[in-house]
Amino acid sequence: NAGVTQTPKFRVLKTGQSMTLLCAQDMNHEYMYWYRQDPGMGLRLIHYSVGEGTTAKGEVPDGYNVSRLKKQNFLLGLESAAPSQTSVYFCASSYNQGGRNTIYFGEGSWLTVV
Amino acid sequence: RKEVEQDPGPFNVPEGATVAFNCTYSNSASQSFFWYRQDCRKEPKLLMSVYSSGNEDGRFTAQLNRASQYISLLIRDSKLSDSATYLCVVEAGGGNKLTFGTGTQLKVEL
Repeated sequence: NAGVTQTPKFRVLKTGQSMTLLCAQDMNHEYMYWYRQDPGMGLRLIHYSVGEGTTAKGEVPDGYNVSRLKKQNFLLGLESAAPSQTSVYFCASSYNQGGRNTIYFGEGSWLTVV
Repeated sequence: RKEVEQDPGPFNVPEGATVAFNCTYSNSASQSFFWYRQDCRKEPKLLMSVYSSGNEDGRFTAQLNRASQYISLLIRDSKLSDSATYLCVVEAGGGNKLTFGTGTQLKVEL
């Protein structure tokens, strides 16, 4: 009963390095999301996907890229990490039933850029 | 103006107290509303959906006022285990995108 799984959970990067966060869900959900959470800012949507092969920008997409090659996976890439990208990243997936969107989160990935 | 606004708290209440949180949203086209709970260093988890007619789940009651564009959460008989941050969440604009408030912190004390 895995739900939404994120890897890695913790990572320290140097400025300018690149990395990819992997999100996997086993619930056959169409929609997937990447959020970041910073103190006093709440959760902010980076990118999202409404289905396999599709991606769209959220509220704070700059500095990030995403891919959804398979329905169950949603990858978040940092091309050239900056200290401002130090944050907690949450992946989520959701389904829509009866017009209501129920969203499930992964446990989070703590990223520090030094 | 933020799309979803909440009082950040913290609300410090004694065990057994009743506490209420309010949340306002700016997009009048918003379709769905939720309360999520987030424990320290954990992921948010759905507490309850909010329906137009109001709804109750045990000690928790949620209300929606579309005319005034606010949502409320009432917790009765607070328990120590209710200590957490409560996030107001609004869905609007299609694409199943959810907008989160910054959260209201609740601390229930002996």
